[in-house]
Amino acid sequence: TQLLEQSPQFLSIQEGENLTVYCNSSSVFSSLQWYRQEPGEGPVLLVTVVTGGEVKKLKRLTFQFGDARKDSSLHITAAQPGDTGLYLCASPNYGGSQGNLIFGKGTKLSVKP
Amino acid sequence: SQTIHQWPATLVQPVGSPLSLECTVEGTSNPNLYWYRQAAGRGLQLLFYSVGIGQISSEVPQNLSASRPQDRQFILSSKKLLLSDSGFYLCAWRGKGNTEAFFGQGTRLTVV
Repeated sequence: TQLLEQSPQFLSIQEGENLTVYCNSSSVFSSLQWYRQEPGEGPVLLVTVVTGGEVKKLKRLTFQFGDARKDSSLHITAAQPGDTGLYLCASPNYGGSQGNLIFGKGTKLSVKP
Repeated sequence: SQTIHQWPATLVQPVGSPLSLECTVEGTSNPNLYWYRQAAGRGLQLLFYSVGIGQISSEVPQNLSASRPQDRQFILSSKKLLLSDSGFYLCAWRGKGNTEAFFGQGTRLTVV
């Protein structure tokens, strides 16, 4: 059973298009993190959302945390080839555990010039 | 500043041989430490995590074990490797609470 469900699994778009990827769980998140990973490297944190309904922007990336803190979305405006990578959501202390950090399976994004 | 070292970067081992991957962190104390395995292009599967010296939580039953002999050292081991142990292994650390996780460069393990 996958604790954090991410969709879509794969996404291939043209430069300039907009896209949204999702992260969902049946459990309430204490907080939710989004990471981006490039091949052969470790993931790098993009943002942490903590409050239900919270919206955070990072240049062309907009992150939203669901009101019930069970889901989150990442929207990219005018995607660029440099946005290509694996986007992962992660939940610290998932299920009330003190210390774990659970990741979803990720969305593999390819932006073609 | 904090840094994380993970080695080796690449490893080819025969089936049935032992394994020891080491991860050390500098510049912080009492971190949470993690071992993940990642299939090609997919998400991270949490194998073990540790919130303190000698404290190990196992997430997935498998052929592997972990130890934390010192505050900033985390070791992933196996007595006898299986073909299915092949993969990309990542070590990470983060502080307590909802803080960011920092990852090592990973070890590409191929069991032949």
